Amino acid sequence: EVQLVESGGDLVQPGGSLRLSCVASGFTFDDYMMHWVRQSPGKGLEWVAGISWNSGVTGYVDSVRGRFTISRDSAKNSLFLQMNSLTPEDTALYYCSKGGIAARHPFDSWGQGTLVTVSS
Amino acid sequence: IVLTQSPGTLSLSPGERATLSCRASQGVTSGYVAWYQQKPGQAPRLLMFDVSTRATGTPDRFSGSGSGTDFALTISRLEPEDFAVYFCQQYGASPWTFGQGTKVEIK
Repeated sequence: EVQLVESGGDLVQPGGSLRLSCVASGFTFDDYMMHWVRQSPGKGLEWVAGISWNSGVTGYVDSVRGRFTISRDSAKNSLFLQMNSLTPEDTALYYCSKGGIAARHPFDSWGQGTLVTVSS
Repeated sequence: IVLTQSPGTLSLSPGERATLSCRASQGVTSGYVAWYQQKPGQAPRLLMFDVSTRATGTPDRFSGSGSGTDFALTISRLEPEDFAVYFCQQYGASPWTFGQGTKVEIK
């Protein structure tokens, strides 16, 4: 069974930084593209960032490019999101999700999310 | 690619048919469209992908259709567990985008 467990969410002041983690199990982590998706309170879903199986390709939504960095560690079966220069608009539940072997693949497994609140 | 879902809310009774629409601002490459179901307090769950392929565990009362810029999710007969929010997604071009969601509520 695929399991994705996020952690690292917290209350942070505007301009602050936070690092989210996601530990994966139940599948061969090295084979799959991974993503971060966020959902603001009571709102819809927004893809934030994605990373290829070998970390060779990364992508970001425009609103976070230059502030957020996605990375992965195959030895730890873990996905990360380093978030810098946070603003209140970054407040959301952040989900780790599993993509496919190819980039053009839906997100077939999701964690339960970790909450990031940016407020003074 | 901007995805616009309609209606925002669908009020129906169990046993009725539900049709949810998802319109893209430009053509979606090779029909790379998925649908997700989200219930309160839960993560989204993949229902359909590649427009009309059911994900593992998706009942056959769910069907997907469409091409180009217009896509739909149909639930042939609503069961109590189907009342939820549904999101469409395109994964043909980065940035991957989602629609704003359609809430299917009990009338």
